Amino acid sequence: DTGVSQDPRHKITKRGQNVTFRCDPISEHNRLYWYRQTLGQGPEFLTYFQNEAQLEKSRLLSDRFSAERPKGSFSTLEIQRTEQGDSAMYLCASSSTGLSEKLFFGSGTQLSVL
Amino acid sequence: AQKITQTQPGMFVQEKEAVTLDCTYDTSDQSYGLFWYKQPSSGEMIFLIYQGSYDEQNATEGRYSLNFQKARKSANLVISASQLGDSAMYFCAMREGGYGGSQGNLIFGKGTKLSVKP
Repeated sequence: DTGVSQDPRHKITKRGQNVTFRCDPISEHNRLYWYRQTLGQGPEFLTYFQNEAQLEKSRLLSDRFSAERPKGSFSTLEIQRTEQGDSAMYLCASSSTGLSEKLFFGSGTQLSVL
Repeated sequence: AQKITQTQPGMFVQEKEAVTLDCTYDTSDQSYGLFWYKQPSSGEMIFLIYQGSYDEQNATEGRYSLNFQKARKSANLVISASQLGDSAMYFCAMREGGYGGSQGNLIFGKGTKLSVKP
């Protein structure tokens, strides 16, 4: 169990550029989640997968955001035409299926849009 | 409507004293789970404790206990014998059971910043 890993740890980009983040979950976990967190706030749900199926996507999520989880393993989160308001920590988490299953979080990707 | 409400943006506690962090939730599901996470300044999210809606006993994990009052829809975290290392953000979260099985999504509150004074 190597934990949830996210890459890169930090990303600085210019407004209007596209960025892609990667998340590798704990191997035996079939659920994978993406959250966004700004300073002093709680994690805000973006989307989650069960295996390769994207089961839920936040209604607040712009069409500029897209996530994939091909083959039910790693996941990518892409933000197109970044805006300054996209600056945040993007957290990935994974879990097994079940009401009581806790989420294991990665260290996050800190995005700064200039 | 907010599903998880944490009304205390910041709390102070003296080292070795107990502290209660408040959390209220809103759901129409009969089956749901409540979680508490700790986030130190280093940023990692650390799971602390879980309470299921059908659990008859309040959950405990070492110095952490959850004061679960179902009728009031509250799930307060109690930390006994506070330590300097307890200084962190604390988040309450809920997963609703939904229909025909558990939903996956975990909804978080805005958090409470706990500061432990020596």
